[in-house]
Amino acid sequence: NAGVMQNPRHLVRRRGQEARLRCSPMKGHSHVYWYRQLPEEGLKFMVYLQKENIIDESGMPKERFSAEFPKEGPSILRIQQVVRGDSAAYFCASSPGSLGKNEQFFGPGTRLTVL
Amino acid sequence: QQQVKQSPQSLIVQKGGISIINCAYENTAFDYFPWYQQFPGKGPALLIAIRPDVSEKKEGRFTISFNKSAKQFSLHIMDSQPGDSATYFCAAGFKAAGNKLTFGGGTRVLVKP
Repeated sequence: NAGVMQNPRHLVRRRGQEARLRCSPMKGHSHVYWYRQLPEEGLKFMVYLQKENIIDESGMPKERFSAEFPKEGPSILRIQQVVRGDSAAYFCASSPGSLGKNEQFFGPGTRLTVL
Repeated sequence: QQQVKQSPQSLIVQKGGISIINCAYENTAFDYFPWYQQFPGKGPALLIAIRPDVSEKKEGRFTISFNKSAKQFSLHIMDSQPGDSATYFCAAGFKAAGNKLTFGGGTRVLVKP
């Protein structure tokens, strides 16, 4: 049973470009969470999604950031017009459906570097 | 009210010693407290979790102690090994699926051989 998959593992963008980060949850998991980790800091919640729905985006910056989890395919975190402060590790986690526990399993992360 | 404070920031322990990491939370409604282990360049891995209706939970060399009245919980790593060298994060949230986790700032543990 494959774990949470994220790609790319490393992404380099110049200021003003767009970054697209992908996450495939564990098989059987319908809940996806995105967290951001700045260097030497803990993880900060960004957004929680189920298929085709954003449930909680309270941690998402109001501008330039968006997320989706389409009916088919991976969840995508999109950052438009990246700035140097967006450089961080972005982790996706998944958990079982609504009747399951809140055990969140993390992917290996995407390390975004903005030049 | 959503903060989770973790200490110490870093810890050095000799092989065979005990590593102790402490966390304090503010939101008394939290009912799920997991610990994660993270190696450099990897994602956090769920280590052990506890609910507030128990005061202690042990899995192998890892033990969580929970003090509901003090709103504190701690991780003890017994017989620490060099392979335990990693960053450990405590978190707090709600046991039902579909709830975000609030993480502490992390503790970098180095176990010297």
